[in-house]
Amino acid sequence: QSALTQPASVSGSPGQSITISCTGTSSDVGGYNYVSWYQQHPGKAPKLMIYDVSNRPSGVSNRFSGSKSGNTASLTISGLQAEDEADYYCSSYTSSSTLEVFGGGTKLTVL
Amino acid sequence: EVQLVQSGAEVKKPGESLKISCKGSGYSFTSYWIGWVRQMPGKGLEWMGIIYPGDSDTRYSPSFQGQVTISADKSISTAYLQWSSLKASDTAMYYCARRRDGYNWVDYWGQGTLVTVSS
Repeated sequence: QSALTQPASVSGSPGQSITISCTGTSSDVGGYNYVSWYQQHPGKAPKLMIYDVSNRPSGVSNRFSGSKSGNTASLTISGLQAEDEADYYCSSYTSSSTLEVFGGGTKLTVL
Repeated sequence: EVQLVQSGAEVKKPGESLKISCKGSGYSFTSYWIGWVRQMPGKGLEWMGIIYPGDSDTRYSPSFQGQVTISADKSISTAYLQWSSLKASDTAMYYCARRRDGYNWVDYWGQGTLVTVSS
């Protein structure tokens, strides 16, 4: 069982907005602003989309945004596009390990 | 351009040993952590361990401590993941990943190495 809890799947139509949640505890998500999000297309390596809760790396579309409230972090994708269909993983620093913990992943389907 | 290039797919039998590699280029190899992430078929991402090539400081996830060995040769900018005795349950995709010291996210990933262990 993953340390961080994500919904197994979410879906949305092109142009809509969706939000993926990532729930942890005060020892990880809730205690630190070190949540990151990764996108993984089938057969490809993950790609960093958000770091430190809400920062976008250079080259990542501003349709992707991150936030956090309490022990739950969220990734919002606005203006859904077909190319956004992928698996998304959250990750957080945790006080109980020297390595970050991942969520179980969420499969995004663009209808 | 930063690149992490991993060695090719492997097919092994249970009990065999294996060492896969990840060669970094386009940056100072000794100034970033390099870690290994396992992805079992149809499953999520799991940190296995991480090494700082500058001083060989190595940390393992408790789940993988004693099961694998992570090393690095800074003279050729290459990190390694090694098994002494493979099991069928080691069948997975393995990614190397770069992380800056003091930061908590991976900015570059290797392309992955598929390891298949089957009798």
